[in-house]
Amino acid sequence: EAQVTQNPRYLITVTGKKLTVTCSQNMNHEYMSWYRQDPGLGLRQIYYSMNVEVTDKGDVPEGYKVSRKEKRNFPLILESPSPNQTSLYFCASSSLAGRSGNTIYFGEGSWLTVV
Amino acid sequence: AQKITQTQPGMFVQEKEAVTLDCTYDTSDPSYGLFWYKQPSSGEMIFLIYQGSYDQQNATEGRYSLNFQKARKSANLVISASQLGDSAMYFCAMRGRDYKLSFGAGTTVTVRA
Repeated sequence: EAQVTQNPRYLITVTGKKLTVTCSQNMNHEYMSWYRQDPGLGLRQIYYSMNVEVTDKGDVPEGYKVSRKEKRNFPLILESPSPNQTSLYFCASSSLAGRSGNTIYFGEGSWLTVV
Repeated sequence: AQKITQTQPGMFVQEKEAVTLDCTYDTSDPSYGLFWYKQPSSGEMIFLIYQGSYDQQNATEGRYSLNFQKARKSANLVISASQLGDSAMYFCAMRGRDYKLSFGAGTTVTVRA
C-alpha cells in the first residue's frame, strides 16, 4: 500500500529539547516536503527536497532543518524547539514524472506541542 | 509567487443541499494544477479533486465538482447532496512548475441535519 508515514503522531516537548519528526515514503518518490498548519493560515511549506541530497527552503524554514540522505526518508529536525513551533506538521511526497506528479501523498500529520 | 485565497472562513449547509466553496488563485506559471483537500477533525488530509490548467473540462469526482474559470483565476468546489460526514475543513491548493503546493487558509463546512 502506498503511504507516507510520520512519527511521532503526537508529541509534547519542552523548549530547547531537540527533536526529530521522521517521514518515510514507500513509493520511490523524488519530491518530498514538510508543511506546518496553523489556524487561519492554512498549510505553509517549511522545506522541500527534489531528490537525494537536494533540499531547499520553503516559506517558513526558520528554526527547522532537514536532510535527505536516502530517497525514502525526509526527517524534520527542530534543533531548539520554541513554543511558536507548536503546530500540526505534515510530510508529503510525489513523483516528478508527468501526470503522476498530480497525485500528492500526505502523511497523517504530527501534532507537536512545545511548552 | 503563488497565492491562494479562500474568502469564506466558515459555512453552514443543510443536509442534502449543495454548497459551493470559493477559491481564487494568482500565478504567473502557464502550467499549474489545482487541488481540493478535505480535513476532518481527526486531522488527516484527504484528496478530493484535481484540475489541470490545460484541462478542457471541469473535473468531477462523485459528489465533488470543480468549477474552473481560468480567465477569472477561480477554482470553486461544489459539493452536491451534502452529508453529515462532509463537515470538515476544506483547503484549496495550487501547484506550479516548481512543484511547490500552496494552500489557502481553508473553509470550515458544517452540515446541519
